[in-house]
Amino acid sequence: ETGVTQTPRHLVMGMTNKKSLKCEQHLGHNAMYWYKQSAKKPLELMFVYNFKEQTENNSVPSRFSPECPNSSHLFLHLHTLQPEDSALYLCASSQDSGRAKTQYFGPGTRLLVL
Amino acid sequence: LAKTTQPISMDSYEGQEVNITCSHNNIATNDYITWYQQFPSQGPRFIIQGYKTKVTNEVASLFIPADRKSSTLSLPRVSLSDTAVYYCLVVLSGNTGKLIFGQGTTLQVKP
Repeated sequence: ETGVTQTPRHLVMGMTNKKSLKCEQHLGHNAMYWYKQSAKKPLELMFVYNFKEQTENNSVPSRFSPECPNSSHLFLHLHTLQPEDSALYLCASSQDSGRAKTQYFGPGTRLLVL
Repeated sequence: LAKTTQPISMDSYEGQEVNITCSHNNIATNDYITWYQQFPSQGPRFIIQGYKTKVTNEVASLFIPADRKSSTLSLPRVSLSDTAVYYCLVVLSGNTGKLIFGQGTTLQVKP
């Protein structure tokens, strides 16, 4: 138990669906992150939020839309995804986004796009 | 960002000490060396972080030579539950918290 929870743990969606992934951290951190991990590939950073402000978008397609309403919650809104978007989506948090802070990861959402 | 190179896979037996070496020839003055562990279908978990010499915690030790161009993660007396992927990362001390994960080292511990 890392103090970072993600829901749902598993999600199957069609290419025309709209769904959202939710992440919540109970650690009092101010930075939150979305990562994507495809099969047999390294983790890829998608977005960084620091004090609710987006500080990094790693060239992510617009069909992925993040939202950070407060420092404890992070959402990833999904629409018109492609089968190649099937992956494990991981959320992480850290005290803030600077100075080599340790990141704490959630268990991930396993997404399958049909 | 400094690139890291580590073995793709390693095998060990229960009770042995495992040393995983990572090279990071282009490490910069302000970079830290950090190791994460990941079990299948879970998020990575922080193991240890260091800047130079030796760091030890309840899980592992990290050895960093004076030139800091490599580092070695040491896991004492591994068990089957230590089977996982181990990632070596070089983290800038002042950047936006960007972690660049490589392929990692898949450690298989056998009985």
